[in-house]
Amino acid sequence: DTAVSQTPKYLVTQMGNDKSIKCEQNLGHDTMYWYKQDSKKFLKIMFSYNNKELIINETVPNRFSPKSPDKAHLNLHINSLELGDSAVYFCASSQDLTGGNTEAFFGQGTRLTVV
Amino acid sequence: AQTVTQSQPEMSVQEAETVTLSCTYDTSESDYYLFWYKQPPSRQMILVIRQEAYKQQNATENRFSVNFQKAAKSFSLKISDSQLGDAAMYFCGYYGGATNKLIFGTGTLLAVQP
Repeated sequence: DTAVSQTPKYLVTQMGNDKSIKCEQNLGHDTMYWYKQDSKKFLKIMFSYNNKELIINETVPNRFSPKSPDKAHLNLHINSLELGDSAVYFCASSQDLTGGNTEAFFGQGTRLTVV
Repeated sequence: AQTVTQSQPEMSVQEAETVTLSCTYDTSESDYYLFWYKQPPSRQMILVIRQEAYKQQNATENRFSVNFQKAAKSFSLKISDSQLGDAAMYFCGYYGGATNKLIFGTGTLLAVQP
């Protein structure tokens, strides 16, 4: 069973379109994250949710809107896509990272290409 | 704000040799946790090793060990007996107990030569 799954794995779309990436975790974790990995492989945190509440929002354009319908899901909706949005987007989840031998688990990433 | 710096964009090591990847961080928090993640060409992020800042003892995990120097805010990863499968991008990660933020350095691309 996949612990953190993202769909789709690849997404090619035109500038100006609106698209969503879905993420689901079956680990029972309280916290979920979205990261953006650009062409230089920099892995930058975008958002973090804890029990469906937004706790981190890192200077991300408001075209990006995360939505957490329940604590097992964190979706990312992007409006008016721009060329610079092309990247690999990773979803991750964790239990409290301060407790015990815990780690963040990552999805396989979604490669978004805006043309 | 917390930052993580990896000063080596690329490293290379011969198979069976030892290599050390550097990581420094900056924080004013007292409660934090450090990680090394590996990202092979498959893109999957895989935890290599974890260190709690309150523990003085360096973490080890089979061929992987860290040199944690808290005063210097340094957290390097040593890979012993390097294998071809160790070739990957390695990310140093920081998690702050107060900020609840897991952030990463810019990564080090490790090549393993046969």
